[in-house]
Amino acid sequence: ETGVTQTPRHLVMGMTNKKSLKCEQHLGHNAMYWYKQSAKKPLELMFVYNFKEQTENNSVPSRFSPECPNSSHLFLHLHTLQPEDSALYLCASSQLTGTPGELFFGEGSRLTVL
Amino acid sequence: EDQVTQSPEALRLQEGESSSLNCSYTVSGLRGLFWYRQDPGKGPEFLFTLYSAGEEKEKERLKATLTKKESFLHITAPKPEDSATYLCAVQPGGTSYGKLTFGQGTILTVHP
Repeated sequence: ETGVTQTPRHLVMGMTNKKSLKCEQHLGHNAMYWYKQSAKKPLELMFVYNFKEQTENNSVPSRFSPECPNSSHLFLHLHTLQPEDSALYLCASSQLTGTPGELFFGEGSRLTVL
Repeated sequence: EDQVTQSPEALRLQEGESSSLNCSYTVSGLRGLFWYRQDPGKGPEFLFTLYSAGEEKEKERLKATLTKKESFLHITAPKPEDSATYLCAVQPGGTSYGKLTFGQGTILTVHP
């Protein structure tokens, strides 16, 4: 595996379900991110982790719970979601000392909330 | 509030027909402006970083330029494989690394 891998690629869940999105990076980076991409809206930053420590929570509702057990893995735990949470969730990684703004994105997890 | 506006929303070109995409921004202390390319069903792919007004970067048929209020992505003699959504983003000064504010993107279609 190379780059940034996200699973599952597609997820359909009811509003009362609990599910998790997984992201793994094979680039040796020390920062990881969750971004949300909704239809007709710009990419929106959700969370930032530097060296496993959360450094940014962009006012994300508590029904989204991130977890970063190490610098290579990032999870987004989902519970009691709303239909408006349906979107493409993108994970990215970067080197903190690398080119500013050069994020490496995964292919995303397409979430549909019924 | 930091803001990025891209125009046009969609652009259709014939192969070989050069054009430009626009990215207007308002930001408190620009740390960098970035261009990404996103293909359908894929995550964005980094293209360029621009730091200050007057700077230019080139890659194959793409050239990015920056002024104090906007950036242009010039596409010279495009090919069908250049078809994608092009995203512009800024990082405000004093913010966390990777905390980018994105525009809505320009969907580029190049017809053979």
